[in-house]
Amino acid sequence: EIAMTQSPLSLPVTPGEPASISCRSSQSLQHNNGYNYLDWYLQKPGQSPQLLIYLGSNRASGVPDRFSGSESGTDFTLKISRVEAEDVGVYYCMQTLQTPHTFGGGTQVEIK
Amino acid sequence: QVQLVQSGAEVKKPGASVKVSCKASGYTFTGYYMHWVRQAPGQGPEWMGRINPNSGGTKYAQQFQGRVTMTRDTSITTGYMELSRLTSDDTAVYYCARLSHGGLILQPAWGQGTLVTVSS
Repeated sequence: EIAMTQSPLSLPVTPGEPASISCRSSQSLQHNNGYNYLDWYLQKPGQSPQLLIYLGSNRASGVPDRFSGSESGTDFTLKISRVEAEDVGVYYCMQTLQTPHTFGGGTQVEIK
Repeated sequence: QVQLVQSGAEVKKPGASVKVSCKASGYTFTGYYMHWVRQAPGQGPEWMGRINPNSGGTKYAQQFQGRVTMTRDTSITTGYMELSRLTSDDTAVYYCARLSHGGLILQPAWGQGTLVTVSS
């Protein structure tokens, strides 16, 4: 089973400032087709998870361009270029290369 | 556009079973696995398993083996997840999803979720 480790656990942010969340996988998430099977989700309070980034660095439809995903081996990073108040919630990474598909433990983003 | 619409909330007693449905539209139903994910209150999401709507073949997470059954009805493009011998630990929101995996290159899509409450 592929283990996903997220950091930090909690991230206080200032509106207008950048923020980043890390996710590390216990083994490569790269398929033979060259894509990394790693998605990022945001779960706002009381809501279902919403897709932000898929296949490592592809922004989902309708997601603001202040969100971006980057990849380096087994290290993945979600970046928010300028945090807005509506970005608060819990962020999860998820690998879909192998079953069982597994999630990171989550990062709680809150406004300072 | 891809849409996954799930059945409504359920309240069940311990020991009972629950069956959640997921109606798919906007894509070829038999072309993509349907996955099921659950999230207990205050916990992170947990992958339960998936079904191949074309063949009916399934793969379940180990912790649900023997208790979960995933089926589908291709005539109405609907998938089902049935969980038996419910306990309070099964109180959770259950989601169906179409995920990118196994070489597929696609944008994932999730259903709206179905709250299952297990209480005596």
